[in-house]
Amino acid sequence: NAGVTQTPKFRVLKTGQSMTLLCAQDMNHEYMYWYRQDPGMGLRLIHYSVGEGTTAKGEVPDGYNVSRLKKQNFLLGLESAAPSQTSVYFCASSYKGGGAANTEAFFGQGTRLTVV
Amino acid sequence: RKEVEQDPGPFNVPEGATVAFNCTYSNSASQSFFWYRQDCRKEPKLLMSVYSSGNEDGRFTAQLNRASQYISLLIRDSKLSDSATYLCAVNMGTGGSYIPTFGRGTSLIVHP
Repeated sequence: NAGVTQTPKFRVLKTGQSMTLLCAQDMNHEYMYWYRQDPGMGLRLIHYSVGEGTTAKGEVPDGYNVSRLKKQNFLLGLESAAPSQTSVYFCASSYKGGGAANTEAFFGQGTRLTVV
Repeated sequence: RKEVEQDPGPFNVPEGATVAFNCTYSNSASQSFFWYRQDCRKEPKLLMSVYSSGNEDGRFTAQLNRASQYISLLIRDSKLSDSATYLCAVNMGTGGSYIPTFGRGTSLIVHP
């Protein structure tokens, strides 16, 4: 059972280049999320999706786009990378939220992105 | 001001000590509360959910105070292997959905 898989795990980009981060989950989760983690800032939500074909902005969406064409995949795109986007990116997924206790988030291993 | 606040620490404690972390949240409509553990350069992993009546898992005890909007984590008999960053997470309501919102994390260092 793979859980949540992110690719790539490491990447170095030049300013202005574009790239797509792929997140795949095999747990049939409805909700998927993209976070970035920077020193001292914790996990900040970039975009999220509550189901196939739907996306919404999180706390820090500028400079990123997302798509959820299939339930199991959630793609994060950087159209024109900037040094400020140097970070560790985590994808996560969960069952549909609400009052139920079993709505923990399962994380991928992260993507370390450096923009030079 | 972040919606979920934690003291970043670090908390530096000897083996065998008892240590407690608190986490406050701003949205009173929040549902579902969790503590995650994150090791250096790794992804966060669920440590335990936090239930309204409080819950215990071995050396770990979690409590929720809805009136004061905070959750806590108590670690008894600290081990060297407990050294990590502990993240609290709150599923906060937004647009009809409940989305995990994380604190900045509290760093714990357990020394011999």
